[in-house]
Amino acid sequence: AQSVTQLDSQVPVFEEAPVELRCNYSSSVSVYLFWYVQYPNQGLQLLLKYLSGSTLVKGINGFEAEFNKSQTSFHLRKPSVHISDTAEYFCAVRGSYIPTFGRGTSLIVHP
Amino acid sequence: EAGVAQSPRYKIIEKRQSVAFWCNPISGHATLYWYQQILGQGPKLLIQFQNNGVVDDSQLPKDRFSAERLKGVDSTLKIQPAKLEDSAVYLCASSFGGEAEAFFGQGTRLTVV
Repeated sequence: AQSVTQLDSQVPVFEEAPVELRCNYSSSVSVYLFWYVQYPNQGLQLLLKYLSGSTLVKGINGFEAEFNKSQTSFHLRKPSVHISDTAEYFCAVRGSYIPTFGRGTSLIVHP
Repeated sequence: EAGVAQSPRYKIIEKRQSVAFWCNPISGHATLYWYQQILGQGPKLLIQFQNNGVVDDSQLPKDRFSAERLKGVDSTLKIQPAKLEDSAVYLCASSFGGEAEAFFGQGTRLTVV
């Protein structure tokens, strides 16, 4: 089986500050890892994905994530957030099992 | 390129009624997914199609939920009869293949009263 744990349900941060959203996973097989963003009343949009190769993955809107196999983590980071980054962020994993999403982290950017 | 289309956007029904959702995936995408997203939770996969065949429906409550993808393109998800706990957003997604990036529709928000 596989699972995803997003350690923070809510992360408040001031505009232009750095942010890290944490994601840990468990799986008995090799996995692909994804981060999605969901704005209110919208579907999910892919931010970035790790399939293989370099463990540092760059995505859209200035986000990046680092795959750490030994710590089974895939934390999402952005060096300077904007008000428009306020949204729900989901970490997801897929391997030989069905795609599994975390419960989500609500990023709240204050002016 | 047109995205994944879903309808309706919102639906309110009484418990024990039936409801159906429709999804039109991105053209050429062989894989189609239906997810259930309950408020405050991440999406949970209900069923995955590859063309018109079912790849996985292990989390689909088959006593009340059904889905089909005739001709390997559009898909419908039906709930009959609905329960209060079925209130959620139902998301459809599609991809070129099982391991490729999935593109999501805007979802259908179902409220069962």
